[in-house]
Amino acid sequence: GAGVSQTPSNKVTEKGKYVELRCDPISGHTALYWYRQSLGQGPEFLIYFQGTGAADDSGLPNDRFFAVRPEGSVSTLKIQRTERGDSAVYLCASSLDPPSSGQETQYFGPGTRLLVL
Amino acid sequence: GQNIDQPTEMTATEGAIVQINCTYQTSGFNGLFWYQQHAGEAPTFLSYNVLDGLEEKGRFSSFLSRSKGYSYLLLKELQMKDSASYLCAVRDVANNRKLIWGLGTSLAVNP
Repeated sequence: GAGVSQTPSNKVTEKGKYVELRCDPISGHTALYWYRQSLGQGPEFLIYFQGTGAADDSGLPNDRFFAVRPEGSVSTLKIQRTERGDSAVYLCASSLDPPSSGQETQYFGPGTRLLVL
Repeated sequence: GQNIDQPTEMTATEGAIVQINCTYQTSGFNGLFWYQQHAGEAPTFLSYNVLDGLEEKGRFSSFLSRSKGYSYLLLKELQMKDSASYLCAVRDVANNRKLIWGLGTSLAVNP
């Protein structure tokens, strides 16, 4: 029973470059979430997938950010023309949906630490 | 808008009891979560409250008062490994799958 995995664990890039961050959710979890977390802050919601579709992308900060989940399992968060302010830990979480108990716990991956120089 | 408040930092002694408070101001309520996050690691689920009262789970308990917009996480018999950030999160009323997070309370357990 593997948990949520994310790759790479660390990514260093230069301002203006394009990056892709990958998330493998827990098998059988249909809901997938992307968050961004800066040091000393709580997670900041970015986008939520229900199956293959983005059910809520209201947290994406601007059109440089995009995420896909083409087969309803693995998801990729894509950031174009990276800026120094994009530096953060990007967390992925997954959950059962619909919830089996009403609790709908989100299980987090270890995160990708992105540093934009 | 929705707002969640929790203390920034707390310090306690090994073996003691500590209570971490969380207050929320939301247009509705759909459930409250507590997560633990060790430095450099992902948040891990601790507890979930949707009804008033105390939920006990081993050394950790969580309390909710919906009328007061208030919750607390109680940690008993503190251990050094309990040094971590404790995050309070409220389920968004408009989108049941979205969590609104507090900034977290950094707990330091001293010997």
